[in-house]
Amino acid sequence: NAGVTQTPKFQVLKTGQSMTLQCAQDMNHEYMSWYRQDPGMGLRLIHYSVGAGITDQGEVPNGYNVSRSTTEDFPLRLLSAAPSQTSVYFCASRESGGRGETQYFGPGTRLLVL
Amino acid sequence: QQPVQSPQAVILREGEDAVINCSSSKALYSVHWYRQKHGEAPVFLMILLKGGEQKGHEKISASFNEKKQQSSLYLTASQLSYSGTYFCGTEEGARNTDKLIFGTGTRLQVFP
Repeated sequence: NAGVTQTPKFQVLKTGQSMTLQCAQDMNHEYMSWYRQDPGMGLRLIHYSVGAGITDQGEVPNGYNVSRSTTEDFPLRLLSAAPSQTSVYFCASRESGGRGETQYFGPGTRLLVL
Repeated sequence: QQPVQSPQAVILREGEDAVINCSSSKALYSVHWYRQKHGEAPVFLMILLKGGEQKGHEKISASFNEKKQQSSLYLTASQLSYSGTYFCGTEEGARNTDKLIFGTGTRLQVFP
C-alpha cells in the first residue's frame, strides 16, 4: 500500500490564484481530513469527511472548499489564495467507527502564497 | 476547542524521563498522541478511549483521566530518537465524532 499520498509537494502561488491540493489513500479508509500547520499553532483542522459524499467543517474552514466523490480521494481547493494561507498542509485518513483506529498522515504540501 | 499542552518544551539527557500533559475544557471521548520530527509528517503513538481502552506504543505509556479531561504521555528512559514535537489530539463529546482537534505541541529534545 502507498498509504496517504499528496501532490504537489511544494507550490508557489500569487495572491488571488486558485489551486487544488490532491490527497489520495489506498487503505479504503472512510475518514479523511485536512490540516494546516503553522509555526507555534500546531495542527489545525480545516475540513474532514466521514465517507464519500459527506464533508464537514473543522476549526479553520474559511477560504477552502472540499468534496468527497470517492472513498480514495479528498481534494482541497483554495478558491482565491491569500498570503495568510501560506502553510504546510497535511492530509490524513483512518478507519471510522470510534474504537481507536490509527490516523495516518500524508507527507505534506508546502504552500507559499506571494 | 483546541486542547492545551504543557510544557511547551522539554530538554532531556538520554535515559531521563519526561511527562507531557494535555487538557481540555470539554468532555472527551478519546485522546490521540502523535510525534513529529522536523520536516516530516506526524506519526501515531497512542490512542486512549473513554472507558479505559488503550492502544499504542511499546515503550511509551499514557493515562487518560476522563473526569478531569486530561491525558499525560510518559516517556521513560528517553532515547535520542524520542526527540521531536509531540501533539495530543482530542475528540470531544460522549461518543465518536471523528473530529480530531490537535494541541499546539510540546517540543522534546534529547541530548547524549
